[in-house]
Amino acid sequence: DVVMTQSPLSLPVTLGQPASISCRSSQSLVASDGNTYLHWFQQRPGQSPRRLIYRVSNRDSGVPDRFSGSGSGTDFTLKISRVEAEDVGVYYCMQGTLWPRTFGQGTKLEIK
Amino acid sequence: EVQLVESGGGLVQPGGSLRLACAASGFTFSSAGMNWVRQAPGKGLEWLSYVSSGASNIIYADSVKGRFTISRDNAKNSLYLQMNSLRAEDTAVYYCARGGGDSWGQGTLVTVSS
Repeated sequence: DVVMTQSPLSLPVTLGQPASISCRSSQSLVASDGNTYLHWFQQRPGQSPRRLIYRVSNRDSGVPDRFSGSGSGTDFTLKISRVEAEDVGVYYCMQGTLWPRTFGQGTKLEIK
Repeated sequence: EVQLVESGGGLVQPGGSLRLACAASGFTFSSAGMNWVRQAPGKGLEWLSYVSSGASNIIYADSVKGRFTISRDNAKNSLYLQMNSLRAEDTAVYYCARGGGDSWGQGTLVTVSS
């Protein structure tokens, strides 16, 4: 199985400051069709997960442009340009290239 | 608006069975692959199973293979998860999610305890 490793696991951030989460996969996530199926999810306290970014760098509808995704191969990053109070929660990366699908351990973002 | 509504959770004894359902609306269900994902209390997300739009392709995580069965009824816009031989470690909130995870339900809690 593909192991997804996120860092850090805890991320205290001051309001208005940037934040960055790393996600590394144990195998390349480039699929046979040339796409890279690496997605990012946000789970606010008490809520269901919500997809923010699909295929590395594409923002889902309604996602603020302060969220951005980048990376390739086995190394990916989610960045928040200026953290807002509503960004508190746990962030997960997930690979959709290989079976079984696997998630990272989650990164808990809190306001400092 | 896409809506996924899970049901069927509850308290069940170890070794027991439960059938979860996910009612879909707001999109063409018969064209979408669907997943089940769970989250144990205070833990992260665990993908469990996938069924393709026409049910010709079904995949399971090793943790549930042989015990859980995913199915769908496109005429009823519904996804199911039959869970047998339940264990304490299956206690979790179970979510259905569309395709690549762009839509999720609110989840249904399954508690396995005597």
